[in-house]
Amino acid sequence: IAGITQAPTSQILAAGRRMTLRCTQDMRHNAMYWYRQDLGLGLRLIHYSNTAGTTGKGEVPDGYSVSRANTDDFPLTLASAVPSQTSVYFCASSDSIESSHGYTFGSGTRLTVV
Amino acid sequence: GQNIDQPTEMTATEGAIVQINCTYQTSGFNGLFWYQQHAGEAPTFLSYNVLDGLEEKGRFSSFLSRSKGYSYLLLKELQMKDSASYLCAVLDSNYQLIWGAGTKLIIKP
Repeated sequence: IAGITQAPTSQILAAGRRMTLRCTQDMRHNAMYWYRQDLGLGLRLIHYSNTAGTTGKGEVPDGYSVSRANTDDFPLTLASAVPSQTSVYFCASSDSIESSHGYTFGSGTRLTVV
Repeated sequence: GQNIDQPTEMTATEGAIVQINCTYQTSGFNGLFWYQQHAGEAPTFLSYNVLDGLEEKGRFSSFLSRSKGYSYLLLKELQMKDSASYLCAVLDSNYQLIWGAGTKLIIKP
């Protein structure tokens, strides 16, 4: 299936636990992104990767880390979850950072930290 | 700072026309996008404008005025399935997408 796959779909996590959200795309897109979406705040960029082997910090990177070992995978790790990280997380990709075709989004991970 | 403003919520009638406005102040401009997001789902790409003017795609059209920092999304012949949030986003000088908070469109029969 062409597109982006995110896992898990949803998760309830105890505060202080470590968790990795998975993201895989099969479109050979160079750029990938992690967003969180909270009611009334819109999409906020956590981390991005313009190409395999490189990553950068977005608007709200604290408490999160990413890696981009290959083109297809872009996992997001919460080292020690806190309740304020309760959110819906979307992974996205684009063929390039200048793309006029927009981003393709995964279906999201709904995370609740208790 | 960078800012994108769009109305929080709008209501329209099935079969009618609705215009959703977006104003932006960003560091540089490399294009403006509109996305549709149904409740509980991921955003999906609707349109891209980089030059001034109107881009038409079926029932949806998007307009851009770079000098005014203004865009609108026009939806014609509204259908119940058009009930969704509509997100405006601008690609800034660093090729980062700056997102508005979205406009929730409610369609009434």
